[in-house]
Amino acid sequence: AQSVTQPDIHITVSEGASLELRCNYSYGATPYLFWYVQSPGQGLQLLLKYFSGDTLVQGIKGFEAEFKRSQSSFNLRKPSVHWSDAAEYFCAVRGSQGNLIFGKGTKLSVKP
Amino acid sequence: NAGVTQTPKFQVLKTGQSMTLQCAQDMNHEYMSWYRQDPGMGLRLIHYSVGAGITDQGEVPNGYNVSRSTTEDFPLRLLSAAPSQTSVYFCASSYSEVGGPKDEQYFGPGTRLTVT
Repeated sequence: AQSVTQPDIHITVSEGASLELRCNYSYGATPYLFWYVQSPGQGLQLLLKYFSGDTLVQGIKGFEAEFKRSQSSFNLRKPSVHWSDAAEYFCAVRGSQGNLIFGKGTKLSVKP
Repeated sequence: NAGVTQTPKFQVLKTGQSMTLQCAQDMNHEYMSWYRQDPGMGLRLIHYSVGAGITDQGEVPNGYNVSRSTTEDFPLRLLSAAPSQTSVYFCASSYSEVGGPKDEQYFGPGTRLTVT
């Protein structure tokens, strides 16, 4: 069955520090992968997506993610975190029903 | 172009009451879906539709009903509300169920439902 695992429930980083959020997926074929961000009380905003081609994907707000087929991973990175990045982040893979299968999310806190 | 709209934003129901959550999109998308979000669970698919007149069940369909009479609208009905249906509900749409590099699922702002 298709699934997405985000091993870290909550991460705290200092402002200006680098960030990596982990995501592992289970999917038989070439996956369509996504990262979304959700601020408190808000909807979901797409940060970036991977369909094929270059395994390093650039997104909005300075985020990037790298697809590693051998590790079934699609980790999200940012070189320098800003206080406004505090939010919950969801990794997702496109399912066979056309839907998105989401991980349980990683909550990011940013220390001043 | 309003994107995906949902009404109401907040709703409180008593156990056993019924209601309809509204979802509309103005992007001429064929594919529409409903998710529920619960703390620590991510988003889970309730029902989806690949076009007008076609609907199917997702991961957690029990207690919910949908219909798709037009391309634009995809309402979600709670037949007899239960406290377990307390959640945040998101509607989403995209061009098709197949997807592709230029396709993307657009999410509505959500409806926060409390069942007492």
